[in-house]
Amino acid sequence: GQQLNQSPQSMFIQEGEDVSMNCTSSSIFNTWLWYKQDPGEGPVLLIALYKAGELTSNGRLTAQFGITRKDSFLNISASIPSDVGIYFCAGPNTGTASKLTFGTGTRLQVTL
Amino acid sequence: DGGITQSPKYLFRKEGQNVTLSCEQNLNHDAMYWYRQDPGQGLRLIYYSQIVNDFQKGDIAEGYSVSREKKESFPLTVTSAQKNPTAFYLCASSMSSGGTGSTDTQYFGPGTRLTVL
Repeated sequence: GQQLNQSPQSMFIQEGEDVSMNCTSSSIFNTWLWYKQDPGEGPVLLIALYKAGELTSNGRLTAQFGITRKDSFLNISASIPSDVGIYFCAGPNTGTASKLTFGTGTRLQVTL
Repeated sequence: DGGITQSPKYLFRKEGQNVTLSCEQNLNHDAMYWYRQDPGQGLRLIYYSQIVNDFQKGDIAEGYSVSREKKESFPLTVTSAQKNPTAFYLCASSMSSGGTGSTDTQYFGPGTRLTVL
């Protein structure tokens, strides 16, 4: 089945630093979604990408839909303590658009 | 406010008992989903429903059951047949299913943490 590989698995950064994480797949995705999950809460949608090459921003967050349709990137600029959490990428399964495949997540920790 | 609600937030159950987790949405979404999340892990799909009175098994349906009698409600029952039920359960919904683009985007509830004693 389809798999999404996220890297890095975890990262420790200092407040104010920029963060970059990515998500790769062996198969093509037509939509890329980025979610953030705070401890003990449900994931919250950050950015949705629907077109290859698309670059979309949401405040300090920027995400890109790779040209090959097999990858996506999420950048966070000037990190702050509330950026702590797990970031998941996701995309719809081929053949069953209602089902999403989720990446394994990138755990972000921010130190003061 | 529009959104997805799950109750209760924390649930404790004795081994061998069935328990039902609630999920309600007032977003007028057609599709609803149940996921399981274990510590340090990603999300695994249990069941999903694309329309009222219809649902399909996900990747880990054994030991679980669902119903979809109303568009806004999709309760999940964790049965005694589920060998390792302690986990964080997440409900989600999307505008439609089988479509493309924005209609497939799933929105999540706050989750229910189930602990089997």
